[in-house]
Amino acid sequence: GDSVTQMEGPVTLSEEAFLTINCTYTATGYPSLFWYVQYPGEGLQLLLKATKADDKGSNKGFEATYRKETTSFHLEKGSVQVSDSAVYFCALSEGSGNTGKLIFGQGTTLQVKP
Amino acid sequence: NAGVTQTPKFQVLKTGQSMTLQCAQDMNHEYMSWYRQDPGMGLRLIHYSVGAGITDQGEVPNGYNVSRSTTEDFPLRLLSAAPSQTSVYFCASSPDRGGSGANVLTFGAGSRLTVL
Repeated sequence: GDSVTQMEGPVTLSEEAFLTINCTYTATGYPSLFWYVQYPGEGLQLLLKATKADDKGSNKGFEATYRKETTSFHLEKGSVQVSDSAVYFCALSEGSGNTGKLIFGQGTTLQVKP
Repeated sequence: NAGVTQTPKFQVLKTGQSMTLQCAQDMNHEYMSWYRQDPGMGLRLIHYSVGAGITDQGEVPNGYNVSRSTTEDFPLRLLSAAPSQTSVYFCASSPDRGGSGANVLTFGAGSRLTVL
């Protein structure tokens, strides 16, 4: 079945460092891809998404490009801040079309130190 | 605009007890779902619903029941709690229309359940 694999955490960076969190997926169809962020004690919030190959999602300085040839959707940010410390989840939409169901990776914890 | 509201935020149960986690949304979303979050496993789908009166099983449905009598509410029932159900539970909703909102889930703040 469809699945999502993320790099193991935690990832610890200094403020203003460059961030990459790797995400690869396996899917039989053409899913939409998502990054969600979870701040301590809160639910998940949508960070960005891409709905088709070569689309780039972006938000709050974060970017990810839907790469069908490498089945990847890596999250990047040029300069992280302490406030970016959170758990990041990569996800894909299950089934075809708008199903309202997502398959999540295991999550990657990011710690940014001043 | 409250979004998705879950209650309770914390609950401790003894093995064999039953309880209901409540979920309500005020965005008129047709799709609603329950996930559980466990360390190192991400979120896994328990049950979901595409509208009032329609529910279906997700990846890990055993030990849980759901019903959807209204568009707004989607309670999750634990029939006989087991320690393996110790987890953080998230309710989510999303619109059934296509476009930019397709498959975009709005999550509640979560309910942390401990089963002793």
